[in-house]
Amino acid sequence: GNSVTQMEGPVTLSEEAFLTINCTYTATGYPSLFWYVQYPGEGLQLLLKATKADDKGSNKGFEATYRKETTSFHLEKGSVQVSDSAVYFCALFTGGGNKLTFGTGTQLKVEL
Amino acid sequence: DTGVSQDPRHKITKRGQNVTFRCDPISEHNRLYWYRQTLGQGPEFLTYFQNEAQLEKSRLLSDRFSAERPKGSFSTLEIQRTEQGDSAMYLCASSLVQANTGELFFGEGSRLTVL
Repeated sequence: GNSVTQMEGPVTLSEEAFLTINCTYTATGYPSLFWYVQYPGEGLQLLLKATKADDKGSNKGFEATYRKETTSFHLEKGSVQVSDSAVYFCALFTGGGNKLTFGTGTQLKVEL
Repeated sequence: DTGVSQDPRHKITKRGQNVTFRCDPISEHNRLYWYRQTLGQGPEFLTYFQNEAQLEKSRLLSDRFSAERPKGSFSTLEIQRTEQGDSAMYLCASSLVQANTGELFFGEGSRLTVL
């Protein structure tokens, strides 16, 4: 079946530090890959996505590249801000399954 | 506000009681999903509807759980004879089947606490 594995948190960084959150997946077929973010007290929202191999998704300074050869979709940001503190979820979607499969989430804390 | 809305936001109940959650999706969305999220875990799929038809149910959805979407608009998730293990955040999401991209729009969730 489909599954997503994320690095465990919490990840604590200083403002302006470089961020990487690792995500690998197992899927049948050709999934689309996503990063969702959950800010404190808010619902899950889409951060970025990539629908095929070598696509790069980007939004709000965050980037992730769909690597089929390593089955990975690592999230990166060059300079984090305190406002980026949230829980980040990697997820995959297959058209046949018609549903998102999520990783366990990685909590990011950014300090001044 | 035209997003996904869920009600109630928080429900505290005693073990053995029944609870019902309601979800109102984005109006033009024809797919509606229910997920469950426990502390420190990612959302786990429970079930989804396309219009009024329930197309898939997870093994997580025991016979104490029932979901409906009678007119293809709002949906309800009922848990009968609640157990402490049912304590979780219940998330609703909606999407357009025509898009079928995996971009789901989530509500803020209904938190269930079973004492």
